[in-house]
Amino acid sequence: GIQVEQSPPDLILQEGANSTLRCNFSDSVNNLQWFHQNPWGQLINLFYIPSGTKQNGRLSATTVATERYSLLYISSSQTTDSGVYFCAVPRSSNTGKLIFGQGTTLQVKP
Amino acid sequence: EPEVTQTPSHQVTQMGQEVILHCVPISNHLYFYWYRQILGQKVEFLVSFYNNEISEKSEIFDDQFSVERPDGSNFTLKIRSTKLEDSAMYFCASGDRGETQYFGPGTRLLVL
Repeated sequence: GIQVEQSPPDLILQEGANSTLRCNFSDSVNNLQWFHQNPWGQLINLFYIPSGTKQNGRLSATTVATERYSLLYISSSQTTDSGVYFCAVPRSSNTGKLIFGQGTTLQVKP
Repeated sequence: EPEVTQTPSHQVTQMGQEVILHCVPISNHLYFYWYRQILGQKVEFLVSFYNNEISEKSEIFDDQFSVERPDGSNFTLKIRSTKLEDSAMYFCASGDRGETQYFGPGTRLLVL
């Protein structure tokens, strides 16, 4: 089945720093989602981004489907950005079930 | 903005007991999902549900698990006889095929 790999596995930043998280996938996809899992365990939708670039405040994401990767940019990081970031791709033309990567754990220090 | 809701937020049960986890998906969505996340691990697909039947299930979703959509709004996951290894966060999600899936806040299940 499709492999979804995220890097780095862990990241520690000082508040105000920028970061780039990467998601590689082993097969062609027609969709990709980025999530933020907050300290309470909730999965928050960040982006639905099958291709191209989207921006939402300090966050932006780029997916290059032909090269099978997506990037999540966090600018001017804040302590509230801490948590685990997951990317997920659908794997089934019938059901759209999502296959998740292992996540990047981000800690932003004040 | 519409959202997926789940109850209870936490559930503690004894091994061997039955649990039912409840979800209310977004009303105009057609596809419903359950995922689980064991502590410290990635989120795993359990089952998808469409047109009042299971459309796909994972290897994890064995005979101890079942899903129902008893009315037009609720979507439930039942674990018949819980095991210690069923302890996890269970997420319900809804969406339309190929589009964004929206996740509920999760139910944290602890089996003692």
